[in-house]
Amino acid sequence: GAGVSQSPSNKVTEKGKDVELRCDPISGHTALYWYRQRLGQGLEFLIYFQGNSAPDKSGLPSDRFSAERTGESVSTLTIQRTQQEDSAVYLCASSLEAWPEKLFFGSGTQLSVL
Amino acid sequence: KQEVTQIPAALSVPEGENLVLNCSFTDSAIYNLQWFRQDPGKGLTSLLLIQSSQREQTSGRLNASLDKSSGRSTLYIAASQPGDSATYLCAVPLDDKIIFGKGTRLHILP
Repeated sequence: GAGVSQSPSNKVTEKGKDVELRCDPISGHTALYWYRQRLGQGLEFLIYFQGNSAPDKSGLPSDRFSAERTGESVSTLTIQRTQQEDSAVYLCASSLEAWPEKLFFGSGTQLSVL
Repeated sequence: KQEVTQIPAALSVPEGENLVLNCSFTDSAIYNLQWFRQDPGKGLTSLLLIQSSQREQTSGRLNASLDKSSGRSTLYIAASQPGDSATYLCAVPLDDKIIFGKGTRLHILP
């Protein structure tokens, strides 16, 4: 596609449920990032994928969070047993190679945990 | 540890004015810095990428400067327009991560 695509754009879930967020990077982009942005806050790094290398998971806040990426294509971010503090916008970005290439962001998934 | 600070947190200026947004970082051993804009409910759009060997980058009415030794970058917007209203973020790399400032919310008054 022309840009980074994220789905769903909005997700409302009940506390304790699992959710899965999807990111389709720009075709050919080897680097993919997930960020979390709480209301009125900055971007919080979650995880980074680069090609076939082991991902950098150092930003995942707890073991309830996990992410996968199939080759250099789609990535999914899974949050198990959601909590209210997980409510945020989850942003995905990709770049042709690792930084210092320009980053291209998706529009994000607004997650609301009731 | 790399920390990125942006001042001011919010700014309102009349249309047509020139303005400067500031970004500071604690670890000067960066190899580039990127400025983004974020519109409400949207993702981020890359505006300018400055390599550590460069001091400035220009795109249209935007000019970004980088002073590694002092740990500072500025984004200059000339002849501001209402369409410039957005949140502007700067970001620097740290290992595999990219560290973002919290942004400056800019409001251009018509």
